[in-house]
Amino acid sequence: DAKTTQPTSMDCAEGRAANLPCNHSTISGNEYVYWYRQIHSQGPQYIIHGLKNNETNEMASLIITEDRKSSTLILPHATLRDTAVYYCIVRTSGNTPLVFGKGTRLSVIA
Amino acid sequence: GAVVSQHPSRVICKSGTSVKIECRSLDFQATTMFWYRQFPKKSLMLMATSNEGSKATYEQGVEKDKFLINHASLTLSTLTVTSAHPEDSSFYICSAPDAGSSYNEQFFGPGTRLTVL
Repeated sequence: DAKTTQPTSMDCAEGRAANLPCNHSTISGNEYVYWYRQIHSQGPQYIIHGLKNNETNEMASLIITEDRKSSTLILPHATLRDTAVYYCIVRTSGNTPLVFGKGTRLSVIA
Repeated sequence: GAVVSQHPSRVICKSGTSVKIECRSLDFQATTMFWYRQFPKKSLMLMATSNEGSKATYEQGVEKDKFLINHASLTLSTLTVTSAHPEDSSFYICSAPDAGSSYNEQFFGPGTRLTVL
């Protein structure tokens, strides 16, 4: 079973920041928070991951609370191409498989 | 980033036939690959773990004799759906962790859409 809870869906206006929350209250000390997204009929795409510090890359920022029980993925300037299902996953690193929950369906609206 | 390919991208077959789906890591070696299945408007469900040089391990409820997995080399895993039936119609996706990356980042293939008539 997935260890995360995400809202089912969200809307965001094009050009605005999209903030996607994720609860992972049972996360253990050696588990990372990963974010992937899946555009319709494609394979999932890696976005970002973190352990306890906030992270930023060219795609997004990841804000992890101090107690690590929740996090927020931020797409700073959402575009129509960011419309996708976003998955928050907790796992240890290594060769373990990713276990997908239901994710959040983000719709970016013009 | 690393690239994982799948072939074919789309296949339509008659009920009772077998279909083979290939998953290749194009620029890295993968001793492990994962196979997922995704039904419409549902999330990805892990089917099995493919291990190079040894037998695959299957998730509970996945029939190993129906979904044959062969990890023939460090860059190729195949999934064969034997005696396919309409209920096997689904989107099949593979992934492979790149041991050469700093955190074993997993890369996904583009998926194979199987339609069984």
